[in-house]
Amino acid sequence: AQTVTQSQPEMSVQEAETVTLSCTYDTSESDYYLFWYKQPPSRQMILVIRQEAYKQQNATENRFSVNFQKAAKSFSLKISDSQLGDAAMYFCAYRILISNFGNEKLTFGTGTRLTIIP
Amino acid sequence: EAQVTQNPRYLITVTGKKLTVTCSQNMNHEYMSWYRQDPGLGLRQIYYSMNVEVTDKGDVPEGYKVSRKEKRNFPLILESPSPNQTSLYFCASSLSWRGGYNEQFFGPGTRLTVL
Repeated sequence: AQTVTQSQPEMSVQEAETVTLSCTYDTSESDYYLFWYKQPPSRQMILVIRQEAYKQQNATENRFSVNFQKAAKSFSLKISDSQLGDAAMYFCAYRILISNFGNEKLTFGTGTRLTIIP
Repeated sequence: EAQVTQNPRYLITVTGKKLTVTCSQNMNHEYMSWYRQDPGLGLRQIYYSMNVEVTDKGDVPEGYKVSRKEKRNFPLILESPSPNQTSLYFCASSLSWRGGYNEQFFGPGTRLTVL
């Protein structure tokens, strides 16, 4: 079974600084997707960034970028120029590329609560 | 506006009183899924559906039922709620399960408390 581990329950960063959130995962599959989701106080789940395992290039979305290390099964999220609106719970998630049973289940980590210090 | 809606957003109930949480999407998505979120556990899948009349269990299906009689709706039914079902529930949908990448869209969540 696939597992996703986020070892940092809480992180804090000074506004305008850079912070990196860690995620490791375990899978025997070679093709899969990895995601970072943001959950602000409104509780809405917002997709931040996605990485396909077959792509070597790390994904970037504006101030958000990932460091994907397939061999190490590591998928960290870097937030540059942190803003107050970045304060949220961040979840790392995994999804197999093609499921034999048609289940597009996302397997989530336990989350990292990010606080931005003004 | 393309969206997934859930009702109610908040619900406090008592043990054993049957309840239904509705989920509806207006994007003609084939795939729908229910998750529950608990502190320290992240989100875990309860049930999913690949299309009308096709549903299957996720990782934590005990105590829940679902149905998919129409493509747009995927209600979550708790026949006899218990306090351990107190949680935050999310419905999600995506265009298709037939391979390739399809973003999952999440509803706003339903906070359920069972006393």
